[in-house]
Amino acid sequence: DAGITQSPRHKVTETGTPVTLRCHQTENHRYMYWYRQDPGHGLRLIHYSYGVKDTDKGEVSDGYSVSRSKTEDFLLTLESATSSQTSVYFCAISESPGRAYEQYFGPGTRLTVT
Amino acid sequence: RKEVEQDPGPFNVPEGATVAFNCTYSNSASQSFFWYRQDCRKEPKLLMSVYSSGNEDGRFTAQLNRASQYISLLIRDSKLSDSATYLCVVDATNKLIFGTGTLLAVQP
Repeated sequence: DAGITQSPRHKVTETGTPVTLRCHQTENHRYMYWYRQDPGHGLRLIHYSYGVKDTDKGEVSDGYSVSRSKTEDFLLTLESATSSQTSVYFCAISESPGRAYEQYFGPGTRLTVT
Repeated sequence: RKEVEQDPGPFNVPEGATVAFNCTYSNSASQSFFWYRQDCRKEPKLLMSVYSSGNEDGRFTAQLNRASQYISLLIRDSKLSDSATYLCVVDATNKLIFGTGTLLAVQP
């Protein structure tokens, strides 16, 4: 299994509070991604990174920001959590442009916003 | 129309059965196709890539029909351990589009 960890694995927070989720990889892969998974929607891309300090938006980026100061860490921040952001969040990594679509996922973070 | 569509199932099959899943996609420019497997409350895992000529990995066979824009996955001799959700995945302009998945339940 690819060396990807996510923290925390579970979190309950209140509406309006900031939340940061962490993804850590030991594979030295260039590309990292944040997805959310909700019933009836499949996995949807929030943000992705193609290198240190290089990030871009996905299809559902509103209300989220990311940072990548080191190859191994990719942080996802919910600036002010809302109930619509209750979801399971997955981090993924991929090796190189030629194999960018062979993505490997972390174990996920279950976030509940009350 | 969704970019990637799958029959959600569930497909309930006995052990040893052959089962096939289909998936349709809307972007004719897509070039990369995959099947992922996701166990309950776990992360998706890459099962296999789908190549134009079709490809096989043990009991699993994937086919691509570009003209009709669909992808299929055939599982032969189903095992209890094959029970999972199977996600059809297609590329679209530097990102992956995931289907909502097809649930397979293999019964003893």
